[in-house]
Amino acid sequence: AQRVTQPEKLLSVFKGAPVELKCNYSYSGSPELFWYVQYSRQRLQLLLRHISRESIKGFTADLNKGETSFHLKKPFAQEEDSAMYYCALDESNTGKLIFGQGTTLQVKP
Amino acid sequence: ETGVTQSPTHLIKTRGQQVTLRCSSQSGHNTVSWYQQALGQGPQFIFQYYREEENGRGNFPPRFSGLQFPNYSSELNVNALELDDSALYLCASSLTQSGQFFGPGTRLTVL
Repeated sequence: AQRVTQPEKLLSVFKGAPVELKCNYSYSGSPELFWYVQYSRQRLQLLLRHISRESIKGFTADLNKGETSFHLKKPFAQEEDSAMYYCALDESNTGKLIFGQGTTLQVKP
Repeated sequence: ETGVTQSPTHLIKTRGQQVTLRCSSQSGHNTVSWYQQALGQGPQFIFQYYREEENGRGNFPPRFSGLQFPNYSSELNVNALELDDSALYLCASSLTQSGQFFGPGTRLTVL
C-alpha cells in the first residue's frame, strides 16, 4: 500500500543551522510528491512540488527514487520557518493526497 | 478571487447524530477533496468530487457521504456519528490534478 513516512515528530534547530526534514514513501508507480506547510494559526498551504524543481523560501527537495525519499532541505534556518511540515504523495496523479504524519520544525533564536 | 472557505468553524455533536459540513471552493476550481485530520496526525483522504461526481474514495465507511453543487461548492455529511469522528475536517479545491488549496477546516467534536 502507498505510504508516506516522516520519521521525526519534532526537529529543533538554531537559527542559521541547516535543516533537513525527512520523508520516505512507498509507491509502486511514478510518484508525484509535495511538501505542505502549516504556520501557526494558518491553513495548510503548498510549499513545493517535486515536478517544479523549484526553491521556495530557500527550501528545496529532491526526489530520490532509489532511496524512495523526498527530503526537504534548507541551508540556513530562519525563525519564521517554524511550522508543521507535511510530506504528501499524489496517488497516480489523481489529486488524492496521502500525507505523512508531519514534522514540527522549531527554529530557536 | 476568494480562497477556500469552510463552515462552520467548529461544532459539537453527540454520538449517533448527523452532521453536514460545507466548503466553498476557490473561484473556478472544479475539483474538491475532503480530508479528515485527527489530532497529531496528517490529513487522511476521504473522497474527491469532480464536476459533481464522486471521483475516488479513501478508506472511510458509507456513512461519510458528499455532494458537489453546480457552483462547485460542496458538502460532507456524516451519519451516525462516533466518538472517533472527532477531528479537523479539511476541504481542498483545485483546477488541475496538482496544487490543491486548502480551507481552514471545521473542528468537529463528538461527545
